[in-house]
Amino acid sequence: AQSVTQPDIHITVSEGASLELRCNYSYGATPYLFWYVQSPGQGLQLLLKYFSGDTLVQGIKGFEAEFKRSQSSFNLRKPSVHWSDAAEYFCAVGAKTGRRALTFGSGTRLQVQP
Amino acid sequence: NAGVTQTPKFRVLKTGQSMTLLCAQDMNHEYMYWYRQDPGMGLRLIHYSVGEGTTAKGEVPDGYNVSRLKKQNFLLGLESAAPSQTSVYFCASSLLAGDTDTQYFGPGTRLTVL
Repeated sequence: AQSVTQPDIHITVSEGASLELRCNYSYGATPYLFWYVQSPGQGLQLLLKYFSGDTLVQGIKGFEAEFKRSQSSFNLRKPSVHWSDAAEYFCAVGAKTGRRALTFGSGTRLQVQP
Repeated sequence: NAGVTQTPKFRVLKTGQSMTLLCAQDMNHEYMYWYRQDPGMGLRLIHYSVGEGTTAKGEVPDGYNVSRLKKQNFLLGLESAAPSQTSVYFCASSLLAGDTDTQYFGPGTRLTVL
């Protein structure tokens, strides 16, 4: 069965600083990978997804993520963080077989300091 | 389009009471999902549906039942609520299978079982 690990429970960065959120997955084949964001009191919104092809994926709100097969990672990055980016971020993996649903990581809460 | 809506937004139950959570989507999506979100555990799949009249178990189905009598609605029932079911419940839908397609989430229902 697939699994997702987000090693950082909570990260604090200063506004304007760069950001990298880590995500490691476990899956026997090339997975479908997703990053979702959850603002306080809201549902989740898709930031970006990787299915195949170019390993650097661009998403909404200036985010990007890079798929590294050798490291089983799909880290999320943003060059300059804005205060409005404060939220919880979830990495997820899709199995493509069996239960056609996502397995989510436990999330990373991002705090942005002025 | 309203997207995905959930009713109610908040609910407090006593142990042993029953209730039904309603999810509605107006995007003509085939796939619908119920998740629960608990601190430090990300989102866990309770039940899902791949089309009208079909339902299937997810990771944590015990204590819950679901029905998809109409394509646009997905109901989650708790027959005899327990304190362990205190959680935030999210419904999601997708046009294609959720492991390959964008899932659209509702705003959530916060349930407390005393």
